[in-house]
Amino acid sequence: SQQGEEDPQALSIQEGENATMNCSYKTSINNLQWYRQNSGRGLVHLILIRSNEREKHSGRLRVTLDTSKKSSSLLITASRAADTASYFCATGSGGSNYKLTFGKGTLLTVNP
Amino acid sequence: DGGITQSPKYLFRKEGQNVTLSCEQNLNHDAMYWYRQDPGQGLRLIYYSQIVNDFQKGDIAEGYSVSREKKESFPLTVTSAQKNPTAFYLCASRETGTNQPQHFGDGTRLSIL
Repeated sequence: SQQGEEDPQALSIQEGENATMNCSYKTSINNLQWYRQNSGRGLVHLILIRSNEREKHSGRLRVTLDTSKKSSSLLITASRAADTASYFCATGSGGSNYKLTFGKGTLLTVNP
Repeated sequence: DGGITQSPKYLFRKEGQNVTLSCEQNLNHDAMYWYRQDPGQGLRLIYYSQIVNDFQKGDIAEGYSVSREKKESFPLTVTSAQKNPTAFYLCASRETGTNQPQHFGDGTRLSIL
């Protein structure tokens, strides 16, 4: 079952612009994570935000979490062509039986 | 360098054949996971293991089997009962603890001959 749903499904921007991707989910979570996937490769972890946190930064990445609306956003500032990839949100839940549930992803294209 | 190694990178299966995908990690992680990814889709969980000699079914376990005899290794067998096996298969591992990220291998692409 897919818990996280990203929006938009695809996003095309120019280098230097900011990119914002959104994620909605349905049930209670321990944390929400964002991953990046280059074409034909595995996923790379970007950032994890715990359920009791509201905002987190890592370099050019900013993640927000609103548990009342069951939503999160990922902002990439000053985008580069190398940021072109698919971005997935994943919700972590389950306690001792912990597992991640992934959304379908947002395909970001950054044009030089 | 620590990481997760999946092999082979490409695999072809004939009708009625079982095939095994390898996943090895040297990160000393207890938990390991297998996912299936179809084109334009997210990841769906096949099986996961929190500790050696124990594993649980994920959301789409039918037609697949796993073993976890060693901490470093979590092989996935795609059996002939899996009628639509063409997909990209990803293995991941993580440290114990709720707020730990998953680390992924570079995947195996399985196709039907």
